[in-house]
Amino acid sequence: AQSVTQPDIHITVSEGASLELRCNYSYGATPYLFWYVQSPGQGLQLLLKYFSGDTLVQGIKGFEAEFKRSQSSFNLRKPSVHWSDAAEYFCAVGAYGGATNKLIFGTGTLLAVQP
Amino acid sequence: ETGVTQSPTHLIKTRGQQVTLRCSSQSGHNTVSWYQQALGQGPQFIFQYYREEENGRGNFPPRFSGLQFPNYSSELNVNALELDDSALYLCASSLKLSEVDEQFFGPGTRLTVL
Repeated sequence: AQSVTQPDIHITVSEGASLELRCNYSYGATPYLFWYVQSPGQGLQLLLKYFSGDTLVQGIKGFEAEFKRSQSSFNLRKPSVHWSDAAEYFCAVGAYGGATNKLIFGTGTLLAVQP
Repeated sequence: ETGVTQSPTHLIKTRGQQVTLRCSSQSGHNTVSWYQQALGQGPQFIFQYYREEENGRGNFPPRFSGLQFPNYSSELNVNALELDDSALYLCASSLKLSEVDEQFFGPGTRLTVL
């Protein structure tokens, strides 16, 4: 079955520290992978996506993610966290093929940033 | 270019009532998907509409229904509301041209069922 696991429910980092949010997926075919960010009371904003090609993907706001097929992972990283990065982060896999294109989301990781 | 908009922003209903949520897709998009996000959870796929027809459905009962209009806007209707229907309802629009389409999300409608 298709699924996404985000092992860390809540992470706290200090401002200026590096960040890595973990994501593991289960999908039978070539995965299309996404990271979204959600600020309190807001919708989802796309940070970055992986469809094919270079396994290191650059996104907005200084985020990057690396696709590792052998580990079924798509971890999100940022070298230096800013206070404005505090939000909830969702990893998703695109279940494509057939008539319906849908996203399957993980349960999210809530990021807190300490001054 | 106008993004995805949803109305209303917030809504309070009582158990057993019916509710209609609305979504205007991004300009040029022809596909609308609806997701339910319960508190502390990731969004769950409800269904998708393409060319005014339901194009796939997640694990939701028939009391969740929808429409897509010729201008590609969409409605989500929920009948016989239950307490567990309290959630953030997200609409996403996309342009279905190939196997892969990127979905753009609206700000959501927060539904509270008392």
